[in-house]
Amino acid sequence: DSGVTQTPKHLITATGQRVTLRCSPRSGDLSVYWYQQSLDQGLQFLIQYYNGEERAKGNILERFSAQQFPDLHSELNLSSLELGDSALYFCASSVAGTSGGNEQFFGPGTRLTVL
Amino acid sequence: GNSVTQMEGPVTLSEEAFLTINCTYTATGYPSLFWYVQYPGEGLQLLLKATKADDKGSNKGFEATYRKETTSFHLEKGSVQVSDSAVYFCALSDRGSSASKIIFGSGTRLSIRP
Repeated sequence: DSGVTQTPKHLITATGQRVTLRCSPRSGDLSVYWYQQSLDQGLQFLIQYYNGEERAKGNILERFSAQQFPDLHSELNLSSLELGDSALYFCASSVAGTSGGNEQFFGPGTRLTVL
Repeated sequence: GNSVTQMEGPVTLSEEAFLTINCTYTATGYPSLFWYVQYPGEGLQLLLKATKADDKGSNKGFEATYRKETTSFHLEKGSVQVSDSAVYFCALSDRGSSASKIIFGSGTRLSIRP
């Protein structure tokens, strides 16, 4: 158990809909990262928040957005969903805002299926 | 830009065989290097890491050495077990960056036969 929790575990929805994925980081970790894992694109970094502020952006679509709240939990919002958005979405957390070899701890993921 | 290339799978071995999964990287500066493992139905777990040249990371019988001259970080284990069946990801993190995203390789699926 990494200490990172994600809800829900599974999500099935229809095209055009909007969903929210939730992540709670490990106690004491200030950074939250979101990744998408799909069969064709592999594991891709989406976005990072550090202590409530956006720190880095990766291959995140404009239909997707995220935020980190004062209690440090984070939400990833996916809207106007398309079939191709079906994937595993992972959240990770780390202590610091920069790497320097700091480990990121991954949650168990949310499996999103868009029908 | 930074990138990671790792050996394509799937790799199938018999129990107690020797394992090597190749990984090479392209990066500016001095990245930290990682191997993550994903067991079926689970999230990623850090297996081992190395933060500077010639460092050797090790854990659970797995080893990898940070080779700057060959820009490689190959994963090895002397005797694999059925429980090692998983997907293995080589990754790097650019320590010089103000952010800390990790760039992952495409993953190598390892299956161990009893």
